Amino acid sequence: GAVVSQHPSRVICKSGTSVKIECRSLDFQATTMFWYRQFPKQSLMLMATSNEGSKATYEQGVEKDKFLINHASLTLSTLTVTSAHPEDSSFYICSASGVGQANQPQHFGDGTRLSIL
Amino acid sequence: QKEVEQNSGPLSVPEGAIASLNCTYSDRGSQSFFWYRQYSGKSPELIMSIYSNGDKEDGRFTAQLNKASQYVSLLIRDSQPSDSATYLCAVTLDRGSTLGRLYFGRGTQLTVWP
Repeated sequence: GAVVSQHPSRVICKSGTSVKIECRSLDFQATTMFWYRQFPKQSLMLMATSNEGSKATYEQGVEKDKFLINHASLTLSTLTVTSAHPEDSSFYICSASGVGQANQPQHFGDGTRLSIL
Repeated sequence: QKEVEQNSGPLSVPEGAIASLNCTYSDRGSQSFFWYRQYSGKSPELIMSIYSNGDKEDGRFTAQLNKASQYVSLLIRDSQPSDSATYLCAVTLDRGSTLGRLYFGRGTQLTVWP
């Protein structure tokens, strides 16, 4: 079945560091990728939607200058948390859907647990 | 307003029992319906998808959809301790800029005790 690979699985770094998270579709072309954030005991919150070759669409309240999303190819999207602070500590998850799959189940990466000290 | 509501739980059932998870959604344009299971510290994994009214069975899992009532449920038969997780209901719409986007409920935490 379709597989989405997310890397790294865990990051621990100092406040002020920028962190890049990669999301790759391994066996299909991901025309759309979604980035979520999940705080403990809460549901997934969509941060942004990215379509290959175009600018990401951010949800209300999500700072686009802080959470930089690049979707330059049909198999790779990256989320960069710039100048991360402790309040950015969270579980970040990507998902992807391919051509003609808008209403098909999305495939999730394994998530990245980000801890900012 | 695109709201997805789940019974808050937590839900606790004995091993071997039927666990019933419920979800309602507010947007009649909702097109596709999914149940995901999420273990603590892990990302969601798809359990069931359902697109038309009625029941859909897959092993011990049965999803039920009633679009008139805007209701979708998940039944887990012969519940096992390994089913203990948070179950997320999600829907997609069929139009416009929201195409493909998943709208999640807050999740129901299920505990199956031996």
